[in-house]
Amino acid sequence: EADIYQTPRYLVIGTGKKITLECSQTMGHDKMYWYQQDPGMELHLIHYSYGVNSTEKGDLSSESTVSRIRTEHFPLTLESARPSHTSQYLCASGTTGETQYFGPGTRLLVL
Amino acid sequence: AQKITQTQPGMFVQEKEAVTLDCTYDTSDQSYGLFWYKQPSSGEMIFLIYQGSYDEQNATEGRYSLNFQKARKSANLVISASQLGDSAMYFCAMREGPALNTGTASKLTFGTGTRLQVTL
Repeated sequence: EADIYQTPRYLVIGTGKKITLECSQTMGHDKMYWYQQDPGMELHLIHYSYGVNSTEKGDLSSESTVSRIRTEHFPLTLESARPSHTSQYLCASGTTGETQYFGPGTRLLVL
Repeated sequence: AQKITQTQPGMFVQEKEAVTLDCTYDTSDQSYGLFWYKQPSSGEMIFLIYQGSYDEQNATEGRYSLNFQKARKSANLVISASQLGDSAMYFCAMREGPALNTGTASKLTFGTGTRLQVTL
């Protein structure tokens, strides 16, 4: 089981603010992922990385950006939050075996 | 066409009974992987079980087993001896193509989920 952490767990913020959602894992996994999930709905991949300095866009278009400067850290940034960004954001990491282990998620509410 | 279909939006099961959650998938790849995750109301996704397309035996993990029927493209999750703590959303997911090595990553496609409620 992976140790993967996300902060904050909950965030309420006003429109136009810049936010960064943190994701860290201590397992040395080379692959990391960000998913967006509306309540009771399926997960949609928005970003992924297969190693340091690699980032790729996922299947769902997102205005967010990511970076991967260190193996263990994969933050997601929204430059200007909008109400349409209200959702749950789940970070995951995995190895070459491809099972993805998830963090506890960040529930974002943009007013 | 949906790549992962979960046709049961909600299911009820009595404590200590077994329950089957349905999942069908669509892929033209010969090598793929199927996963089940549990999501309690707290929101985290908990990995339950994995089945590779070339695995001849059905995967089992404790009270969880995966009923893999390749010709029917189904990968149903069976939970035996249900417990109150099993109440949650359950998601089926698929990785298309082989598990890849370093230098790339495979993406998972998730179904819409089934909400399981275990009753006394």
